[in-house]
Amino acid sequence: DGGITQSPKYLFRKEGQNVTLSCEQNLNHDAMYWYRQDPGQGLRLIYYSQIVNDFQKGDIAEGYSVSREKKESFPLTVTSAQKNPTAFYLCASSITVSGNQPQHFGDGTRLSIL
Amino acid sequence: AQSVSQHNHHVILSEAASLELGCNYSYGGTVNLFWYVQYPGQHLQLLLKYFSGDPLVKGIKGFEAEFIKSKFSFNLRKPSVQWSDTAEYFCAVNTGTASKLTFGTGTRLQVTL
Repeated sequence: DGGITQSPKYLFRKEGQNVTLSCEQNLNHDAMYWYRQDPGQGLRLIYYSQIVNDFQKGDIAEGYSVSREKKESFPLTVTSAQKNPTAFYLCASSITVSGNQPQHFGDGTRLSIL
Repeated sequence: AQSVSQHNHHVILSEAASLELGCNYSYGGTVNLFWYVQYPGQHLQLLLKYFSGDPLVKGIKGFEAEFIKSKFSFNLRKPSVQWSDTAEYFCAVNTGTASKLTFGTGTRLQVTL
């Protein structure tokens, strides 16, 4: 089945550590996205990538980094600079960057600080 | 910058009641509008979308939404809800050419038997 796989489902981090969240898609989509979901705040865009080796900051990029070395993969690193990393992280993809293409979402990774 | 407002944060309905969830956006240009649903324990999935044409769009599971350009609104409706419609509903918008979405804060719908 085609889809988006996020791993791990749950992740715990100690203060001062960087952690990397995985996102893989086998939909052959060009565009990929990372969102953060907090209670009562909906989804906020962290980073997005329109094509391999290219990515842009979203609305809340501070404390995060990404890479897009392969079309199917868009890992997100939560760095120690992110002051409030506890959240639910969602990865998404769309066929192209065109605005009328709906996004498909993964099951998410819940990150907690120990 | 565009923004999306969902004024109903938590809605509780009995089965068979009618549903209308409000969504307003702020952007003066061409927009694409979406409603997504997140059932408990499941991933976010597309309910319906509007790009152009007939402003009344129909989606999955009996949902529909009406785009009213003059009111900058895209309200979600269902004539008769079921217990299985219990979920969180998100309205989202992007501009005509850019795919990155701006989401509303979501509405949690609880349907009681």
